[in-house]
Amino acid sequence: AQSVTQLDSQVPVFEEAPVELRCNYSSSVSVYLFWYVQYPNQGLQLLLKYLSGSTLVKGINGFEAEFNKSQTSFHLRKPSVHISDTAEYFCAVSVNYGGSQGNLIFGKGTKLSVKP
Amino acid sequence: EPEVTQTPSHQVTQMGQEVILRCVPISNHLYFYWYRQILGQKVEFLVSFYNNEISEKSEIFDDQFSVERPDGSNFTLKIRSTKLEDSAMYFCASNLAGKRYEFFGPGTRLTVL
Repeated sequence: AQSVTQLDSQVPVFEEAPVELRCNYSSSVSVYLFWYVQYPNQGLQLLLKYLSGSTLVKGINGFEAEFNKSQTSFHLRKPSVHISDTAEYFCAVSVNYGGSQGNLIFGKGTKLSVKP
Repeated sequence: EPEVTQTPSHQVTQMGQEVILRCVPISNHLYFYWYRQILGQKVEFLVSFYNNEISEKSEIFDDQFSVERPDGSNFTLKIRSTKLEDSAMYFCASNLAGKRYEFFGPGTRLTVL
């Protein structure tokens, strides 16, 4: 079975500081990897995804993530955060069934709080 | 840009009552999903639906739950007899064949009293 671990439940940072949100996954088979963002009182919005190819993926709002197969990690980074980045961030995986996709398995989420 | 919509945004019900949560997936999508998020916990998969039948369901999705696509646009989740522990945010999602990620709706917050 697959699982996702987000080690940090809350990450407070100051505006314009860099941030890294950590995500580790466990799977015996090939997976797709995702980061979703949830702004207060809103739904889940896809931030970025790794399906194949380059291990460094860039997403919306200046975020990027790097897939590290040996460390089974998919950490999310942004070099300089804004107040508007305050939200909850969810890492998720789905099994790669040779081209088709299984359902999403989510981590518990990391609440990013950006302070002025 | 097309989006998944859900109604109502907030539903309050009494324990033991039936509720129906409604979703309108993106029009050309073929795969439909329900997830839920109990307050303070992770988002959990409930069920996936394709070609007018359930393709996969989790252990959470017991006999009290059912899904239906009654017409060409709506996708509903019914909870037959709600329990206190059904209180959660319920997200609908849809996926176009060949895509590897799901588009989520804004969610329905279900409160069972």
